[in-house]
Amino acid sequence: RKEVEQDPGPFNVPEGATVAFNCTYSNSASQSFFWYRQDCRKEPKLLMSVYSSGNEDGRFTAQLNRASQYISLLIRDSKLSDSATYLCVVNFGYALNFGKGTSLLVTP
Amino acid sequence: DVKVTQSSRYLVKRTGEKVFLECVQDMDHENMFWYRQDPGLGLRLIYFSYDVKMKEKGDIPEGYSVSREKKERFSLILESASTNQTSMYLCASSRTGQGVSEQYFGPGTRLTVT
Repeated sequence: RKEVEQDPGPFNVPEGATVAFNCTYSNSASQSFFWYRQDCRKEPKLLMSVYSSGNEDGRFTAQLNRASQYISLLIRDSKLSDSATYLCVVNFGYALNFGKGTSLLVTP
Repeated sequence: DVKVTQSSRYLVKRTGEKVFLECVQDMDHENMFWYRQDPGLGLRLIYFSYDVKMKEKGDIPEGYSVSREKKERFSLILESASTNQTSMYLCASSRTGQGVSEQYFGPGTRLTVT
């Protein structure tokens, strides 16, 4: 099974900071990419899809580099409520392959 | 909004018991999935189904079976529960379309096998 690798963190940042997470994947045939967010003891929820040209949703920006098989998530102006685990997700055939997640703690 | 529900939030069973975990989705999604999530191991796919009565093994199917008799319902069965099956079990669903679409998760069932 093809792998998705993430730095587990934790990333501890002050409110208002900009933080970036990276992810690498090994299956060059992957076509679908996502970032999910998971709060403590809750289910994962879709944060955003990642498109080839890069995409932005408010304070969140996702980038995809197919040549390097690398995905990133940038969070600007961090809020306390951004504290969570962020999961990088890549398709493997018809299924999704989830990274183990990067933990973010935003402090006052 | 997509809604995926799971039959129990918390479940305690004894070793050797047969355990049924039920999952229902209300968005007419073709695909359904069962994962388990353990600290340090992330989400691991147990089984998935892309149509009624169809099933495919995921990464860790041993000790589990599944049933999909209706489109909206996907059941995970532990034939003889063991302590190493203590885990958080998450069900998800997704539609079939262009590419692989995002999955929507249920709230999870925290199973403890004693």
